[in-house]
Amino acid sequence: ILNVEQSPQSLHVQEGDSTNFTCSFPSSNFYALHWYRWETAKSPEALFVMTLNGDEKKKGRISATLNTKEGYSYLYIKGSQPEDSATYLCAPANDYKLSFGAGTTVTVRA
Amino acid sequence: EAGVTQSPTHLIKTRGQQVTLRCSPISGHTSVYWYQQALGLGLQFLLWYDEGEERNRGNFPPRFSGRQFPNYSSELNVNALELEDSALYLCASSLGPGTTDTQYFGPGTRLTVL
Repeated sequence: ILNVEQSPQSLHVQEGDSTNFTCSFPSSNFYALHWYRWETAKSPEALFVMTLNGDEKKKGRISATLNTKEGYSYLYIKGSQPEDSATYLCAPANDYKLSFGAGTTVTVRA
Repeated sequence: EAGVTQSPTHLIKTRGQQVTLRCSPISGHTSVYWYQQALGLGLQFLLWYDEGEERNRGNFPPRFSGRQFPNYSSELNVNALELEDSALYLCASSLGPGTTDTQYFGPGTRLTVL
């Protein structure tokens, strides 16, 4: 089981503001990093699968970067909207299983 | 396209009982994963099945077991239930067993052990 840290644990954002948060993971034996968004009472929704150092992925107003050498990934939300309120989970993949961090819970205030 | 389905949605059991949770993957997906989210904890990997075989298991006791059927659906069995087994159990499926294959999650089964 990999040691995955996400920070901050939670954050509150004003609607329209942009924000970002971090996922840290062991840089050795890296294969892939998965990002998920998990809204209350719903299933976790896959956002990105990232594999290459320097990789950048984008989906609408959400984007992510990856640094495999130092073992971190940033997820950015541009122009936050209330529907972005969710817990965002990162999970490095190892031995064909995902090791999830505890998540960053984002609350967007209108 | 139908997503991953799980049944039942909720379940209440008492200590010592046994429970079976069910999962149907997305059509065409051969890999099924089980995760547990206990209260206050993150998602923990339980089991991975691919092509009918158990491929990997997380750090859980042997009373957690399961199987995958020829149609790729899966069951998770938990014997001798303990209070700390109360959790949300999520099933996920992927097209293949690769580390870059996206895992698609079902809605989960909420198990309460009294």
